[in-house]
Order: sequence, then C-alpha cells, then structure tokens
Amino acid sequence: AQKVTQAQTEISVVEKEDVTLDCVYETRDTTYYLFWYKQPPSGELVFLIRRNSFDEQNEISGRYSWNFQKSTSSFNFTITASQVVDSAVYFCALSEAYSGAGSYQLTFGKGTKLSVIP
Amino acid sequence: DTGVSQNPRHKITKRGQNVTFRCDPISEHNRLYWYRQTLGQGPEFLTYFQNEAQLEKSRLLSDRFSAERPKGSFSTLEIQRTEQGDSAMYLCASSSSFGSMNTEAFFGQGTRLTVV
Repeated sequence: AQKVTQAQTEISVVEKEDVTLDCVYETRDTTYYLFWYKQPPSGELVFLIRRNSFDEQNEISGRYSWNFQKSTSSFNFTITASQVVDSAVYFCALSEAYSGAGSYQLTFGKGTKLSVIP
Repeated sequence: DTGVSQNPRHKITKRGQNVTFRCDPISEHNRLYWYRQTLGQGPEFLTYFQNEAQLEKSRLLSDRFSAERPKGSFSTLEIQRTEQGDSAMYLCASSSSFGSMNTEAFFGQGTRLTVV
C-alpha cells in the first residue's frame, strides 16, 4: 500500500523567510512518481512538480526547490524568500509510474497549511 | 481549452436528495479521475475512467455513488440519497496516457457539496 506523510500540519513564516515543507512516502513500487500540488483558498489543486523515482536530482524553479532523497523516502519542498501569495495548503502525492493496468491514482498526504505573514 | 471545468461550484442539498456533478476534462486527455476531499484532509481517490470505460473504483464509492463518462468526454458523478457524511469537496482531474506512461493530472476547482 502507498502512504504519504506530511507531518507539519500548519506552518507560519514571516514574508521573505525561507520555509521547507516535509514529505515522507511509503511504496512497494520500484518506479513511481512524486508530486507537489498547491491548493489556494479558491480550492483548485495547482500542479507544481512531478518527479520520477529514477531521477534524484534536485530541481529548482524560481523560488521553489525540491529535494528528493530515495534513501530516506523523502521529497521535501523549499520556498525561498516566501511571499504572501504563497499562503496555501500544499499537498505531496505519490502514484505508480508504469503499469499496463494501473490507474495512476494519486495518494495524497494530509497537506501542510502555509501562512506567510506580511 | 483552459483546463478542467466542474459544475456547479457549490451545491447545498437536503439529506436524502440526489445530486449530480459534471466534469469537463482537458479535451485531449483520455483519463479522468474523481476525488473527494473532506475538511483538513488530502483528496481521496474515488474512481477512474480511461476514455469511456470506468476501470477502477475505490471502496469509498458506495452503492449510492455512480459515475459515467459517455463517449469518453465529460463525466458525471451522481450521489443518491445524500447523507451528511457526503459533505465534501468533489474534485475532478484529467491526464493523458502515452503507452503505459501517464502524464501529470490537472485538477478542476471542485464542487463543494453541503448536505443539510
């Protein structure tokens, strides 16, 4: 069975601080995808990143960066110089990568609510 | 096509009534998913379509729930005899498949159901 744990329920930071959101996952699959989604108050889940389990290179996109460590089954997300617009709930998720019959359903963590205070 | 569209955005219904939600996926996406999200939780998988075929259903999907995707385009999710426990955000997502690979899923804004 797949499981995603986001231990931080809520985090508050002051604007311009850096913040890291933790994600730990469990899966028996040898190949899988990891995701981060952002859910602002409007409710829509906004796709941020997908990572293949074969690729452990860290990724940076603007103020966002992701640290994937297969050895510790973690896929952490860092926002540098946080802004008020970053306030949202962030979800880490996991799915199969390759399967002839699989649906690639996403297994989500419970989310981390980030509040950036001006 | 600007993304996944869900209607209505909000629905308030009395316990025992039937409700139906609609999802229009991104046009070139052949896979469509329904998820349910309750307050303070992450979305939970309900069911999945590849084209018009419903290939997987979660045990969360009781007999009161039915989903269709006629002609492999839009999808509907119907809940019969609603219960207060059905109150949640219902999210639809779509994705493309290339052989046995899958692209990332894009989500709609959801339909928030309140059963009173």
